[in-house]
Amino acid sequence: ETGVTQTPRHLVMGMTNKKSLKCEQHLGHNAMYWYKQSAKKPLELMFVYNFKEQTENNSVPSRFSPECPNSSHLFLHLHTLQPEDSALYLCASSPERGQGSTEAFFGQGTRLTVV
Amino acid sequence: AQSVSQHNHHVILSEAASLELGCNYSYGGTVNLFWYVQYPGQHLQLLLKYFSGDPLVKGIKGFEAEFIKSKFSFNLRKPSVQWSDTAEYFCAVNPISGGYNKLIFGAGTRLAVHP
Repeated sequence: ETGVTQTPRHLVMGMTNKKSLKCEQHLGHNAMYWYKQSAKKPLELMFVYNFKEQTENNSVPSRFSPECPNSSHLFLHLHTLQPEDSALYLCASSPERGQGSTEAFFGQGTRLTVV
Repeated sequence: AQSVSQHNHHVILSEAASLELGCNYSYGGTVNLFWYVQYPGQHLQLLLKYFSGDPLVKGIKGFEAEFIKSKFSFNLRKPSVQWSDTAEYFCAVNPISGGYNKLIFGAGTRLAVHP
């Protein structure tokens, strides 16, 4: 248990569906991240939020839409995905710099399959 | 753009062999450095971290890493591996001079240890 909880753990969706991934942390962290982990590819940073503000969008297609309503919750809204978007989506959180180490804590991930 | 390079994608060792995994990063400013491990079917876990002080850092399970600033490197070592070290290892960098948190990962190294 890392203190970062992701739901659902598994998701199968059609290309015309709309779904959302949820991430929650109660570690008091102010930075939250979405990563995509695909087979045979590096762990790809998608989005970063610091103090609820988006500070990084790593050229992610608009069919992925993040939302950070507060420092404890992060969502990834999905619509009209493609089969190549099938992957493990990981959420992480870390303390803000100035609080010591910026070590990130990861959730278990959501295994997404687009059919 | 900032990047992290891990030189070995797959490493196969026998138990008791010594391990060294290479990691180089491209960023000229101050960094926090990390090694994470992902055991089969489990979430990413922190192995060790460097953010200031002694460049030789010790982590869990007998792992250590040395930060060599002049070489932009943070190589991971273990003098004698065990079968239970079979996992994927990721080097990560947070370029903390950038104003906000941004954790960038290398492609990972899959380590297989044979009894």
